[in-house]
Amino acid sequence: GENVEQHPSTLSVQEGDSAVIKCTYSDSASNYFPWYKQELGKRPQLIIDIRSNVGEKKDQRIAVTLNKTAKHFSLHITETQPEDSAVYFCAASKAGTYKYIFGTGTRLKVLA
Amino acid sequence: DTAVSQTPKYLVTQMGNDKSIKCEQNLGHDTMYWYKQDSKKFLKIMFSYNNKELIINETVPNRFSPKSPDKAHLNLHINSLELGDSAVYFCASSRSGTTDTQYFGPGTRLTVL
Repeated sequence: GENVEQHPSTLSVQEGDSAVIKCTYSDSASNYFPWYKQELGKRPQLIIDIRSNVGEKKDQRIAVTLNKTAKHFSLHITETQPEDSAVYFCAASKAGTYKYIFGTGTRLKVLA
Repeated sequence: DTAVSQTPKYLVTQMGNDKSIKCEQNLGHDTMYWYKQDSKKFLKIMFSYNNKELIINETVPNRFSPKSPDKAHLNLHINSLELGDSAVYFCASSRSGTTDTQYFGPGTRLTVL
């Protein structure tokens, strides 16, 4: 069945450094790839998304890249700050399925 | 003006009881979802509804029964609660299907004693 693998499960970086989280999806028909940030005790919130007709998207310190051939997509956070500490989830979906497949999450800790 | 709301926020109950969680969205979305997030933080889809119709039932025990009285509401009723049902349950909605942004509710933390 459909699957999304996410790595690493935990990531610690120094404040100001970059963080990269990688996901691999199994269904080549997937065409929408959102990233969610979940702070402790809060709901997941969309931080950036990318569609299959785009290879890269950037929003200030956050960027997502998509390699459709390899079925990989990655989240890049530059100049990390303590408030970036959270659990990050990738997901993949395709039109008409009414189902998002989530990765297993990455706990990011930004050390001051 | 909360986009997706859930009640209650916390639910503590004994094994064997029946409980309900309510969800409402005011975004005009057609599609609503229930997710279960366990202690390891895995987000697992339980149900998807589109225009009040059940689309996805991810092999959830039939003790869980969702009901969508209209497009803006999706409730979850759980019978005969078990210890393993303890988790955070999130409701979510999206405009139509799964190529649009999904908005999550604040979650309901269910603890079964």
